[in-house]
Amino acid sequence: KAGVTQTPRYLIKTRGQQVTLSCSPISGHRSVSWYQQTPGQGLQFLFEYFSETQRNKGNFPGRFSGRQFSNSRSEMNVSTLELGDSALYLCASTPGGRTTGELFFGEGSRLTVL
Amino acid sequence: GEDVEQSLFLSVREGDSSVINCTYTDSSSTYLYWYKQEPGAGLQLLTYIFSNMDMKQDQRLTVLLNKKDKHLSLRIADTQTGDSAIYFCAEIPPGAGSYQLTFGKGTKLSVIP
Repeated sequence: KAGVTQTPRYLIKTRGQQVTLSCSPISGHRSVSWYQQTPGQGLQFLFEYFSETQRNKGNFPGRFSGRQFSNSRSEMNVSTLELGDSALYLCASTPGGRTTGELFFGEGSRLTVL
Repeated sequence: GEDVEQSLFLSVREGDSSVINCTYTDSSSTYLYWYKQEPGAGLQLLTYIFSNMDMKQDQRLTVLLNKKDKHLSLRIADTQTGDSAIYFCAEIPPGAGSYQLTFGKGTKLSVIP
């Protein structure tokens, strides 16, 4: 079974630009979560989608948005990039429903903002 | 406190036991997790413990939970060089979504051959 796939793996943007990151969950998984990982703040929850609906959202500004498609693939978008948005963005999928909360993570998309 | 806290670094010799400690934020957290991150990779769930348990053992891994002190520990027996990684403690606080984990900053384990 293929794991969680994130694209692109690496990207470089400049301040003010926008970026879209993609995540393909494990086949059959309906929940996709996004986390931001930085050296200073560690891992922080961005949002979670289930069946195309955002179920939970972390404490991030409105520049961070996401969506989920009917095939469970998810994208997140960051507009008006700032230097502080440089991070590893991790996507995780789960079957959804009531489980132990185990997350299956992708390898991440490393964003550098210059 | 409001943060999940872990020491940042741990160095052990190959073959010794490693103990990674964590203090979490809410004694009502139902599940507590240990994740592992190897260089250049995403996180991988190592083990988890339900809040009504004191201990869980899984091969070389032993998790101890002290709910009164909100203390969680991960013991790795016979530590190998392949265990070198960053280990994250995580919880789902009450009121958070099912997959809204709060992570510690991670403990970087270095295994000396």
